[in-house]
Amino acid sequence: SQQGEEDPQALSIQEGENATMNCSYKTSINNLQWYRQNSGRGLVHLILIRSNEREKHSGRLRVTLDTSKKSSSLLITASRAADTASYFCATDSSYKLIFGSGTRLLVRP
Amino acid sequence: KAGVTQTPRYLIKTRGQQVTLSCSPISGHRSVSWYQQTPGQGLQFLFEYFSETQRNKGNFPGRFSGRQFSNSRSEMNVSTLELGDSALYLCASSSQRYNEQFFGPGTRLTVL
Repeated sequence: SQQGEEDPQALSIQEGENATMNCSYKTSINNLQWYRQNSGRGLVHLILIRSNEREKHSGRLRVTLDTSKKSSSLLITASRAADTASYFCATDSSYKLIFGSGTRLLVRP
Repeated sequence: KAGVTQTPRYLIKTRGQQVTLSCSPISGHRSVSWYQQTPGQGLQFLFEYFSETQRNKGNFPGRFSGRQFSNSRSEMNVSTLELGDSALYLCASSSQRYNEQFFGPGTRLTVL
């Protein structure tokens, strides 16, 4: 079963624009992690936000977490063609990650 | 530090055969997890090992098994392969700090 659900399922933007992806989950969490995956390859860890944090930045990435709404968002600013990938949120429960269905991002040059 | 490595990267088997996949974690990481990714089911947790002990197991049949060695390297085995076992199998290691997991490139298994 999947805990997190991403929205939108697919997103197409122009290079230079910002991309926002949302994730909702069902149960209480210790932390939430975001990953990127290019064309069926391994997952690249982007950022981890703990349950007591509300916002975190890493380069062009900004992640927010609202535990009252059980939701998180990932913002990629000034997108590049190389950002084209699938993005997944994952919640941590009992030593395992539960992944959402992912958002497929296409950045058009 | 070198990242998580998985071998082999690609594998083709026929139904009924068995397969063993290998994972070497990041140096110093003692937790290793395995996930299966398919287009239909997405990313699903298989099992997690820490210090050679399985701490959690996903909802997969007994044909899927794993183990961890004293050097933290891990293997997973799938017996009596079925067509539906065709998937990308991902291994991740963690230092246990917030269970931040880092993934290998995966093994693409095709069952014919």
